[in-house]
Amino acid sequence: KAGVTQTPRYLIKTRGQQVTLSCSPISGHRSVSWYQQTPGQGLQFLFEYFSETQRNKGNFPGRFSGRQFSNSRSEMNVSTLELGDSALYLCASSLKYDSSGYGYTFGSGTRLTVV
Amino acid sequence: EDQVTQSPEALRLQEGESSSLNCSYTVSGLRGLFWYRQDPGKGPEFLFTLYSAGEEKEKERLKATLTKKESFLHITAPKPEDSATYLCAVRFNQAGTALIFGKGTTLSVSS
Repeated sequence: KAGVTQTPRYLIKTRGQQVTLSCSPISGHRSVSWYQQTPGQGLQFLFEYFSETQRNKGNFPGRFSGRQFSNSRSEMNVSTLELGDSALYLCASSLKYDSSGYGYTFGSGTRLTVV
Repeated sequence: EDQVTQSPEALRLQEGESSSLNCSYTVSGLRGLFWYRQDPGKGPEFLFTLYSAGEEKEKERLKATLTKKESFLHITAPKPEDSATYLCAVRFNQAGTALIFGKGTTLSVSS
């Protein structure tokens, strides 16, 4: 079965611009979470969506936002990009909200470079 | 203070040389501890979930155990294909459904 698909795989943006990343979860999965991975901080939780509603949010500034569509696909947006936003952005999907018994399936990520 | 700490940061083993990776956590109200494997250029791949002290899970050459405040990932007779970064994550009551990750242990196995 198809895994979690993230597009684009690589992105280069200029400081001050905004960017939108996309995530298509595994078919049937209704929960989508986003994480930022950097060498210094490791993986950090951004937010989780279930049934088009944000259910949980990490400790990131308001420049980071997201949404989920009725088909469970999700997008995250970063406005006014800063150099420190350069990272691998990972999306993970799971069958249901708070599905601690199943674990999460991660995509391969979008590598964002801000110059 | 980090809530999840993994050690060592890096580990080099010879093929067949068994060892253990450590994950310790300071949170209370644990709702689950997860182990993932991450290969370069890929997202983390789920390995195990542990819920309570004393629990053990096994998969091929890997065995995960959980005590009150730490977990161990034992690798028995590793092969070069076991080379990867191993990540530990916890879920606890205050963080809701968020996974709180450690910074990982990068394992290199040479033949």
